[in-house]
Amino acid sequence: EVQLVESGGGLVKPGGSLRLSCAASGFTFSNAWMSWVRQAPGKGLEWVGRIKSKTDGGTTDYAAPVKGRFTISRDDSKNTLYLQMNSLKTEDTAVYYCTTVRFPLAFDIWGQGTMVTVSS
Amino acid sequence: SYELTQPPSVSVSPGQTARITCSGDALPKQYAYWYQQKPGQAPVLVIYKDSERPSGIPERFSGSSSGTTVTLTISGVQAEDEADYYCQSADSSGTLGVFGGGTKLTVL
Repeated sequence: EVQLVESGGGLVKPGGSLRLSCAASGFTFSNAWMSWVRQAPGKGLEWVGRIKSKTDGGTTDYAAPVKGRFTISRDDSKNTLYLQMNSLKTEDTAVYYCTTVRFPLAFDIWGQGTMVTVSS
Repeated sequence: SYELTQPPSVSVSPGQTARITCSGDALPKQYAYWYQQKPGQAPVLVIYKDSERPSGIPERFSGSSSGTTVTLTISGVQAEDEADYYCQSADSSGTLGVFGGGTKLTVL
């Protein structure tokens, strides 16, 4: 069964840092493009960023609101995707989902999400 | 920044056809995708590449594209289809992802 399980969410103060993890199983993680999508409470979906597979260059792209503060990385030996979030702002408060990317830019498999709250 | 525009809400009676539109300048160049999200759940992909349906998605869900507008059509709407629906695409370079603001489908 294809599965994505996020972890690492929690409460952090403005200006702080947090690292989210996403454990993948049931598919060949190293071949997959992966993405992070977030959803603020009561709001719509917002794309955060994407990382390509290493065979496709392993490059990353980010949405403007997080560029320069967030970093997506992957450890194919551990089948795990990461989201390092620095200089957090209150507007970063959201549920963060990791997803696979296929067809060619659809987010086809989603995790259950992890909540990040940025508050003093 | 690039935007996709959806109506905030659509209402239909059971058995009728619901149409949800999404407009954006880059849609003639980039595929559109549609997601269904029910309260407290992660989104589910229901349409990819404008009109393709993933396995397991009922045939009553279909997608179409015309110029700068794409449309999700749900034929014979059922009560279980009540949800938020989001369109998604990419900017003209195909680099950056973007979502529409979402449409709440109410089944009367």
